[in-house]
Amino acid sequence: DVKVTQSSRYLVKRTGEKVFLECVQDMDHENMFWYRQDPGLGLRLIYFSYDVKMKEKGDIPEGYSVSREKKERFSLILESASTNQTSMYLCASGGPSDEKLFFGSGTQLSVL
Amino acid sequence: QKEVEQNSGPLSVPEGAIASLNCTYSDRGSQSFFWYRQYSGKSPELIMSIYSNGDKEDGRFTAQLNKASQYVSLLIRDSQPSDSATYLCAVPHSGTYKYIFGTGTRLKVLA
Repeated sequence: DVKVTQSSRYLVKRTGEKVFLECVQDMDHENMFWYRQDPGLGLRLIYFSYDVKMKEKGDIPEGYSVSREKKERFSLILESASTNQTSMYLCASGGPSDEKLFFGSGTQLSVL
Repeated sequence: QKEVEQNSGPLSVPEGAIASLNCTYSDRGSQSFFWYRQYSGKSPELIMSIYSNGDKEDGRFTAQLNKASQYVSLLIRDSQPSDSATYLCAVPHSGTYKYIFGTGTRLKVLA
């Protein structure tokens, strides 16, 4: 069965902390994505990666960085967490660009 | 102009009626189009994909695509209360792996 696993379902961090969100997929997909979802704003693309060590900025990359050292793992890093980064973070993976995405269960991050 | 636009709703329909959800997109080069369903507190899941102009049917769901008008829609026949969810339109950006979602339409099916 297809699986995209996010390391935490809920996370509470303090302002200024460095935060790592981990995502692992078991489908050998080339493409992986990080979105954040906020009420009224929908899913907004933060970063995506189409190959190991390759990354591209999405629509809202400011304040975030990513790492993809292995094909199955894509990490989102908040270098210095701020309250406006409180959100639901969703990781997804997919094959070539015209194929569907599979989503992880999401991480609800609260920055206090 | 947003790249993928949807009416946020809520769209309320009675049980058994047809629900019609609409989406417009700005990238004329886009070749594939997807509808995802997202229940409250859950992740999006794919329900339909469409690549060619016209209609594509899958059970109670029909996706319709008109590339000339840059318009894609989803019809849900015989709507059930279990169809109450947010429906997201998604369009991969042509020539890239950038996969863009609309803000979603919230559907309420009234028993």
